[in-house]
Amino acid sequence: GAVVSQHPSWVICKSGTSVKIECRSLDFQATTMFWYRQFPKQSLMLMATSNEGSKATYEQGVEKDKFLINHASLTLSTLTVTSAHPEDSSFYICSARVGTSGSDTQYFGPGTRLTVL
Amino acid sequence: AQTVTQSQPEMSVQEAETVTLSCTYDTSESDYYLFWYKQPPSRQMILVIRQEAYKQQNATENRFSVNFQKAAKSFSLKISDSQLGDAAMYFCAFNTNAGKSTFGDGTTLTVKP
Repeated sequence: GAVVSQHPSWVICKSGTSVKIECRSLDFQATTMFWYRQFPKQSLMLMATSNEGSKATYEQGVEKDKFLINHASLTLSTLTVTSAHPEDSSFYICSARVGTSGSDTQYFGPGTRLTVL
Repeated sequence: AQTVTQSQPEMSVQEAETVTLSCTYDTSESDYYLFWYKQPPSRQMILVIRQEAYKQQNATENRFSVNFQKAAKSFSLKISDSQLGDAAMYFCAFNTNAGKSTFGDGTTLTVKP
């Protein structure tokens, strides 16, 4: 149980286009979902936290107009990278959690590799 | 704000031997949760072990155990009887009671046959 999927797993796009990444909790309802960015051989950087039905909370330095997050249901959150540029190329990971407490386990998706040409 | 420090960018262990990965953290919170995650080459993050700060007993999961020293703010991971499949990047993570996570920079573990 506790499976999180991400789609697509790899996407290549042209500079200036927008890309949408989906994160789904397959066998549980996720009150909270997180979006992380990871550069090669580096740590996970939290971009934003989203709770179902409310606006996402972005970390300092993350452009909310560029990285649009929607958490429309208890099983789906989407990250849209708008007007993507080469510097947005990275590995994006989502995670989902049943509750809102730090004691609740986070379940991670397999990640999406974004390459912007 | 919380910080998590993993001072060993790379570690190596012989198959069947024991290795310890270090992690220290800094926080002013009294209630928090600590985790070790494994990220193999597939990049899928996998929970290895977790520890509640209010528990004095060190967590254990099969070959994985932690040495949690709350006063020293230290949370090391011991892997016993290392296997080739243990090769991965290991991240130490801190969760506040409100659920916000902070990750260390990771330690890449190599297991030699």
